[in-house]
Amino acid sequence: QKEVEQDPGPLSVPEGAIVSLNCTYSNSAFQYFMWYRQYSRKGPELLMYTYSSGNKEDGRFTAQVDKSSKYISLFIRDSQPSDSATYLCAMSADGNNRLAFGKGNQVVVIP
Amino acid sequence: DSGVTQTPKHLITATGQRVTLRCSPRSGDLSVYWYQQSLDQGLQFLIQYYNGEERAKGNILERFSAQQFPDLHSELNLSSLELGDSALYFCASSVDMGNSPLHFGNGTRLTVT
Repeated sequence: QKEVEQDPGPLSVPEGAIVSLNCTYSNSAFQYFMWYRQYSRKGPELLMYTYSSGNKEDGRFTAQVDKSSKYISLFIRDSQPSDSATYLCAMSADGNNRLAFGKGNQVVVIP
Repeated sequence: DSGVTQTPKHLITATGQRVTLRCSPRSGDLSVYWYQQSLDQGLQFLIQYYNGEERAKGNILERFSAQQFPDLHSELNLSSLELGDSALYFCASSVDMGNSPLHFGNGTRLTVT
């Protein structure tokens, strides 16, 4: 079993919809949780960074961490065509950048 | 633009060959990380250098090696290449050994034929 599971299935939504993405993990030592966005032919860029459990909001993006369930989520409100990208969850145990990544979800926002 | 530069963008080579991938970190960043991205495995951490010293190893094969030079640029050497080594190789950099944001380059796409 991989440390981080992310259903890689593509997701198509109409513009303005809420996008909901999630990951599960098996390593209870993970404390730092991230979401990266990767556009085609580009490297991943950090979108959200959360320490331990709880919610974090940044504009249209909300990240949630539930350590008791080993489950993290990313919500994108009022989705835009420019949000079309692959979203990868990532996590680490001690705040170093040696990250364990999920496989990523390709999101397509249809105008 | 993340400020991390990787060359070349694409590389096509044959099995058994050796290649070198190059990375220039963001100005001021002391840590360099190498990650491999493949369809079946996703993004996997390979190795980290901090200010010229190896700091951590991940799922890096013995056929692969890396180094970070005094000017902080890094090279990833892949030898005795196999078809399964075909992947995107990303370099990333950060200011310190951890906790600060990781900035990724746009990767080198390696195709082994």
